[in-house]
Amino acid sequence: GEDVEQSLFLSVREGDSSVINCTYTDSSSTYLYWYKQEPGAGLQLLTYIFSNMDMKQDQRLTVLLNKKDKHLSLRIADTQTGDSAIYFCAEWSSNTGKLIFGQGTTLQVKP
Amino acid sequence: NAGVMQNPRHLVRRRGQEARLRCSPMKGHSHVYWYRQLPEEGLKFMVYLQKENIIDESGMPKERFSAEFPKEGPSILRIQQVVRGDSAAYFCASSPPSQGSYEQYFGPGTRLTVT
Repeated sequence: GEDVEQSLFLSVREGDSSVINCTYTDSSSTYLYWYKQEPGAGLQLLTYIFSNMDMKQDQRLTVLLNKKDKHLSLRIADTQTGDSAIYFCAEWSSNTGKLIFGQGTTLQVKP
Repeated sequence: NAGVMQNPRHLVRRRGQEARLRCSPMKGHSHVYWYRQLPEEGLKFMVYLQKENIIDESGMPKERFSAEFPKEGPSILRIQQVVRGDSAAYFCASSPPSQGSYEQYFGPGTRLTVT
């Protein structure tokens, strides 16, 4: 079945870049997403990328997609303490019509 | 345009009671999805509904759980005879009919605690 994997924890210093990685198994994935969840809150859609794209940039966020290796990454430039949260990778396939989430990466930003 | 609304935000139930979680999709959205997030885990798909139809319930537990999305009013996720293992955050998402389900907007969630 479909599976999405992420590392569980990342710690960076304020001002550094953060790179959060994700791998997925469903080769029919059409869209891939990054969501942010702050403690006790819902999910905020940060960005998503269509599977025929390699890269998408939006201000401090850069998404890279390697479709051959089924690898997705999120780079946050100039990481701030307000970026501390859990980041979820998710994939959507037109075959299933549902979002499949990874288990989330906790980003800790140290001042 | 108000976002996806869920209520209550927090719900406490004793074991054996019923829990009813409500979700009002964004205006103009006719697709609703329910996801469950257990502590320290990602979200797991439960059910996908359109008005008066269950499209995919492959993620719903076989017993005690049911969902509906009536012609009028919010979508309801109902859990009968709750057990401690049902304690989780339940998120609803909605999407517009023209875009399919790939663009899902999430509500703030209902955090269910079973004592």
